[in-house]
Amino acid sequence: GAGVSQSPSNKVTEKGKDVELRCDPISGHTALYWYRQRLGQGLEFLIYFQGNSAPDKSGLPSDRFSAERTGESVSTLTIQRTQQEDSAVYLCASSFGVRYEQYFGPGTRLTVT
Amino acid sequence: GNSVTQMEGPVTLSEEAFLTINCTYTATGYPSLFWYVQYPGEGLQLLLKATKADDKGSNKGFEATYRKETTSFHLEKGSVQVSDSAVYFCALSEGAAGNKLTFGGGTRVLVKP
Repeated sequence: GAGVSQSPSNKVTEKGKDVELRCDPISGHTALYWYRQRLGQGLEFLIYFQGNSAPDKSGLPSDRFSAERTGESVSTLTIQRTQQEDSAVYLCASSFGVRYEQYFGPGTRLTVT
Repeated sequence: GNSVTQMEGPVTLSEEAFLTINCTYTATGYPSLFWYVQYPGEGLQLLLKATKADDKGSNKGFEATYRKETTSFHLEKGSVQVSDSAVYFCALSEGAAGNKLTFGGGTRVLVKP
């Protein structure tokens, strides 16, 4: 069966540009999570969705970061005015619900030059 | 806040050697504990978990025991194979933010034939 997919797999952008990262969760999964992994560091939580609502946005590092989810399916993470410190692998995960195992996508590697 | 600390790598072993990766955590309540593994070129996947004190999680020959008294969840395998070469992440969740995961920094393991 299809797993979590993310696109693009790699993105190189210039400092100051906006980027959109996409996550397609496993069908039927109501919970969706975004994490970030900077080089040499562990994964850090950014935001999660239950359905189309985001009850906790506390992990978003600044107001340049935003995310939305539509149709209890696809989610988009948007980074405005990218900075070099935004360079990282952005991982998406989904689960049947918040008490179930999270399944991770392959990630999007973002490089800001 | 919550945090996870795991030994830094890389850890280089010969095939059939014993593997231990140390993991300790800080949490305000009673977290669930996890080990995730990322094989080369693949996404993050759950290896094993334990949800309460003294529980032992096991999978693919790997084991870890939830030790509340030492706030630890060390990963062990008695005889590693080349195919165990991967990055291993210790993580916890505590119910907040939809059971978001808090990860350690990851430990790269390289098993040589």
